Amino acid sequence: SQQGEEDPQALSIQEGENATMNCSYKTSINNLQWYRQNSGRGLVHLILIRSNEREKHSGRLRVTLDTSKKSSSLLITASRAADTASYFCATPEYSGGGADGLTFGKGTHLIIQP
Amino acid sequence: EPEVTQTPSHQVTQMGQEVILRCVPISNHLYFYWYRQILGQKVEFLVSFYNNEISEKSEIFDDQFSVERPDGSNFTLKIRSTKLEDSAMYFCASTPGQETQYFGPGTRLLVL
Repeated sequence: SQQGEEDPQALSIQEGENATMNCSYKTSINNLQWYRQNSGRGLVHLILIRSNEREKHSGRLRVTLDTSKKSSSLLITASRAADTASYFCATPEYSGGGADGLTFGKGTHLIIQP
Repeated sequence: EPEVTQTPSHQVTQMGQEVILRCVPISNHLYFYWYRQILGQKVEFLVSFYNNEISEKSEIFDDQFSVERPDGSNFTLKIRSTKLEDSAMYFCASTPGQETQYFGPGTRLLVL
């Protein structure tokens, strides 16, 4: 499946700058989620946006969703060195049957230069 | 804040051996999941579990794999006869509903 493909694959910016990552998906969704993964560690849930929402904020994070283009973006404002991580979008495999597994993209590896 | 926990953090095994990976989901959660991430690749869904039975499974989750909730707190993934290609990070996740999934720190499995 090519659901949830992020770009760019890698992004390196200076501390204090904003970082924008994009995600595209192919099938209909009822929500889209963004996760962060520090090197070799577990996945941390950042934010969930539902299909009837266009924008959502959480602290320094801003997520948009365009269902007509089947795309989402994650903006991290005023980046910090601690934001260095891989960021993934994920969508439920909506089968309507219950506990949907998530389909993850390949991720964007974000490096914040001090 | 409650967390999903997983044991062991690392496991090394010989090809053909059975391994059991253990997870303790967050206590009031109802849905449980296993995922794997081969080094450098995407996180891949393996299986979901609800009401004491498998709800969904991916193509990866073949007869070599099984899951169990042996008691009220643990959720296990068993790989019956490990292959070299089973080497990966295995993540457990849980959710109270069907949206945000909370992931454990993972078990790194190395098959030699």
